[in-house]
Amino acid sequence: DADVTQTPRNRITKTGKRIMLECSQTKGHDRMYWYRQDPGLGLRLIYYSFDVKDINKGEISDGYSVSRQAQAKFSLSLESAIPNQTALYFCATSEQTGEKLFFGSGTQLSVL
Amino acid sequence: GNSVTQMEGPVTLSEEAFLTINCTYTATGYPSLFWYVQYPGEGLQLLLKATKADDKGSNKGFEATYRKETTSFHLEKGSVQVSDSAVYFCALAYSSASKIIFGSGTRLSIRP
Repeated sequence: DADVTQTPRNRITKTGKRIMLECSQTKGHDRMYWYRQDPGLGLRLIYYSFDVKDINKGEISDGYSVSRQAQAKFSLSLESAIPNQTALYFCATSEQTGEKLFFGSGTQLSVL
Repeated sequence: GNSVTQMEGPVTLSEEAFLTINCTYTATGYPSLFWYVQYPGEGLQLLLKATKADDKGSNKGFEATYRKETTSFHLEKGSVQVSDSAVYFCALAYSSASKIIFGSGTRLSIRP
């Protein structure tokens, strides 16, 4: 089984719909991250969490929210999806800040 | 601010050719430097890292040397294989900071 699991793998939705992407991990890491990947732009950080009570905005948090339900679970929500949120979304974990990231397989989201 | 610049892709090579993917960075102090690889349909995974000047990271035949004087961390491999076809990301991070900064990625395609 994968150490970092994202669901769903693919999602197509319409403008204005609420969407939740889920991430769970078995690494036992406190630090969890949500990134989005767009062609030619690399990965950009949306939100990150250093423990269940610690949630922080990344560089592109507008239009997104997160919930850290447990050490192992970190979900990303789009309250009202818009087409420019079409992207590949990755969840990642790390043991320490600045150390190796462990990524999930990604969720491809398309907003029509 | 801190940033990472990678050579534009895509890069197409024949099998057994020599590979260089350029990466330069802008940063203060002494960040750790990373190369991540993303195979089709998968999340990123760490390929190699270096934590201080003149360190050489290596893995799977790939190498990169942390060059403080030229602020570079170029990825090299002496003889590429079709299985090396992937997207490669250069990145930097500080142990005291909240996130890893990624370059825009370089797509590599290897012809048989």
